[in-house]
Amino acid sequence: AQSVTQLDSHVSVSEGTPVLLRCNYSSSYSPSLFWYVQHPNKGLQLLLKYTSAATLVKGINGFEAEFKKSETSFHLTKPSAHMSDAAEYFCVVSGAGNMLTFGGGTRLMVKP
Amino acid sequence: KAGVTQTPRYLIKTRGQQVTLSCSPISGHRSVSWYQQTPGQGLQFLFEYFSETQRNKGNFPGRFSGRQFSNSRSEMNVSTLELGDSALYLCASSLGTGYPQETQYFGPGTRLLVL
Repeated sequence: AQSVTQLDSHVSVSEGTPVLLRCNYSSSYSPSLFWYVQHPNKGLQLLLKYTSAATLVKGINGFEAEFKKSETSFHLTKPSAHMSDAAEYFCVVSGAGNMLTFGGGTRLMVKP
Repeated sequence: KAGVTQTPRYLIKTRGQQVTLSCSPISGHRSVSWYQQTPGQGLQFLFEYFSETQRNKGNFPGRFSGRQFSNSRSEMNVSTLELGDSALYLCASSLGTGYPQETQYFGPGTRLLVL
């Protein structure tokens, strides 16, 4: 069985400051991990994915995530937040047969 | 390429009715998965279809069913609607290799309200 825990349900940052969204996973085998973003009334957009090629993964819009097996973590970071980053972010682990298991989500708020 | 499309975008139904939602995948994608998103339960996997066959199923009652057509378009049906079925239903398409690292692309969702 696999699971994902997003450690913060809400994160608030000021525009121009760093963003850190935390994610821990549990998987019985080498996982495939994803971060998706959901803007209000929209579907999910892929930010980045880890597939064991490199532990530091770069995504779109300046986001990146580091896979740490020893800590079972896959935290999402961005050096400088922009107002347009305000959205809900989901950490996701993929299992066999295309079944995605989602974390509970982190709502990111960006203050001007 | 056009993205994943879902119709209708919004639906209002009453308890006991049934509803059918439609999803058109990205051209060339053969796998379609359905997810339910609610404030209380978050995002949950319903089922996946590949080559017109249900390949995987989540933990939902039999009132939730689906099918896939030869052109990979998929429909999801919910019978005997309950208030708790109010949710955003998301469809995702992918190539269908079955490998965990395969990216799934999501549509905008259908928001269902059951009164």
